Amino acid sequence: GENVEQHPSTLSVQEGDSAVIKCTYSDSASNYFPWYKQELGKRPQLIIDIRSNVGEKKDQRIAVTLNKTAKHFSLHITETQPEDSAVYFCAASYSGAGSYQLTFGKGTKLSVIP
Amino acid sequence: DGGITQSPKYLFRKEGQNVTLSCEQNLNHDAMYWYRQDPGQGLRLIYYSQIVNDFQKGDIAEGYSVSREKKESFPLTVTSAQKNPTAFYLCASSIKGAGGYTFGSGTRLTVV
Repeated sequence: GENVEQHPSTLSVQEGDSAVIKCTYSDSASNYFPWYKQELGKRPQLIIDIRSNVGEKKDQRIAVTLNKTAKHFSLHITETQPEDSAVYFCAASYSGAGSYQLTFGKGTKLSVIP
Repeated sequence: DGGITQSPKYLFRKEGQNVTLSCEQNLNHDAMYWYRQDPGQGLRLIYYSQIVNDFQKGDIAEGYSVSREKKESFPLTVTSAQKNPTAFYLCASSIKGAGGYTFGSGTRLTVV
């Protein structure tokens, strides 16, 4: 099955700086890569996603890049703000024998220091 | 208001007791999922269902059971065989075969 590795596990940045979280995946058949943000005690929420036919996608201060050859994808947050503090999860979709499911990384706890 | 609802928000289980966590969605999604979340462990898949009356085991299905009698509902039972059930449980749904998940707000289960 699919395996997703996520780094770093914790990340502290000064407000206004950029943050980068990286993920690698094992299954070359995976073609959908979402990112979720989970604030303390709340549900994960989809913040951005990318499909394998696209190399980069941007939404305001958030961007995701995908390198299919190297099987890794990254989340970039620019001009970080205190409300960006949360746990971020990457995921990859794995399809096998007609099934569909997301495999998640273990998460990155981002702290933005005012 | 479309969404996915989990209940209860907090649940306490005694040793040897079975408990059932509820998950209901009105998004008309075919697929539903249960994940367990432990600190530092990320999200681990327990069970998932792509269609009514069918479901598959995930990575950590031992000690859990599910049913999918209706499209809207996917309850999870934590049985007495699950020796370490204290965790945060998240239910999710998606369009069959594609796309991101919509998550419920979770149930925090504690063994007392």
